[in-house]
Amino acid sequence: GAVVSQHPSWVICKSGTSVKIECRSLDFQATTMFWYRQFPKQSLMLMATSNEGSKATYEQGVEKDKFLINHASLTLSTLTVTSAHPEDSSFYICSAGGVKDTQYFGPGTRLTVL
Amino acid sequence: GDSVTQMEGPVTLSEEAFLTINCTYTATGYPSLFWYVQYPGEGLQLLLKATKADDKGSNKGFEATYRKETTSFHLEKGSVQVSDSAVYFCALTGYSSASKIIFGSGTRLSIRP
Repeated sequence: GAVVSQHPSWVICKSGTSVKIECRSLDFQATTMFWYRQFPKQSLMLMATSNEGSKATYEQGVEKDKFLINHASLTLSTLTVTSAHPEDSSFYICSAGGVKDTQYFGPGTRLTVL
Repeated sequence: GDSVTQMEGPVTLSEEAFLTINCTYTATGYPSLFWYVQYPGEGLQLLLKATKADDKGSNKGFEATYRKETTSFHLEKGSVQVSDSAVYFCALTGYSSASKIIFGSGTRLSIRP
């Protein structure tokens, strides 16, 4: 079946630094990938839709200059949290569009900002 | 806009009990409906789905039927196990894999031995 990987699976960084999270579709190509954020014991909040070769579409309230998304190829999308602060600590999950209505989710990246 | 409302948790049951987690939706058009499961510390896994009215999705003993007349997609399992303890999300999306997924708030399920 289709597999989506994320790297790293967890990261701890100091406040003010930037962190890059990768999302890869391992055995299929995805023109569209999605980035979600999940706070403890809450549902997933869609942050942005990443389209290969074009700018990402951000949801209302998500700062595009803080959460930089790049979808450079059909198998890779990256999310960079710039100048991270403790309130950015969260579980970040990506998904990649497969066939028809199916999306495949990565295992998530836990970010802790000290 | 489209939305999903699901039963608030947490839900605590004894092993072998019958499970129902309610889910209703509001959508224009004909969405596909999903149940996702998230085990502790892990990402989401697709549990089952249904793409049109009266379809029944099933997997691992779980079932849900797409009811257009009641706009519902309730999750059921006849006999739960401790290993079913997880958070369950009801969701909907459009036809294309480029469509956004709208998630419900999630229901935390705990099963006592």
